[in-house]
Amino acid sequence: RKEVEQDPGPFNVPEGATVAFNCTYSNSASQSFFWYRQDCRKEPKLLMSVYSSGNEDGRFTAQLNRASQYISLLIRDSKLSDSATYLCVVRSGGSYIPTFGRGTSLIVHP
Amino acid sequence: DTGVSQNPRHKITKRGQNVTFRCDPISEHNRLYWYRQTLGQGPEFLTYFQNEAQLEKSRLLSDRFSAERPKGSFSTLEIQRTEQGDSAMYLCASSSTSPSAYEQYFGPGTRLTVT
Repeated sequence: RKEVEQDPGPFNVPEGATVAFNCTYSNSASQSFFWYRQDCRKEPKLLMSVYSSGNEDGRFTAQLNRASQYISLLIRDSKLSDSATYLCVVRSGGSYIPTFGRGTSLIVHP
Repeated sequence: DTGVSQNPRHKITKRGQNVTFRCDPISEHNRLYWYRQTLGQGPEFLTYFQNEAQLEKSRLLSDRFSAERPKGSFSTLEIQRTEQGDSAMYLCASSSTSPSAYEQYFGPGTRLTVT
């Protein structure tokens, strides 16, 4: 089993839709969780950290479920500009080395 | 621009040649990471520096790969005797100390094509 798993998609949604992605991780000692966004042929950019209590930033909400070992990203009122690949990142306790998932592709169409 | 910079942005080389890439991190960041990314995959960790010390290397990093960060500022990644399988995007990222020690900021990458 891979350390961090994501459904590669693509998720194809109309503008204004709500879409959610999950990411599962295998190491129960994982301590830090992040979502990054990566546009085609560009570098990953930090979207948001995922805290135990959840995290909301505008239209984006991230949640952590330690019992089931997954994190989620919810995007409300999707915009065309949200089209990108969303990378899940997990870091184990005591390490500065994060593990990236392969990413989930989102396509928002008019 | 005070972000992470990488040079060159693109490199085409023939199999068997050596190549060197440079990364300049955000100036106050003491941690620097190198990753490799191929199409459809997430970034794969290669190596990590804290200041000038190389603290961790991935098993992916064969003996043809070497990285340095001599003064704890910029870093170089060298690939010797390149192979076609080395074709990928090489990404550099940096991060600061606490409280946001684990948030990484990436450079634009160097795209390597080995012919």
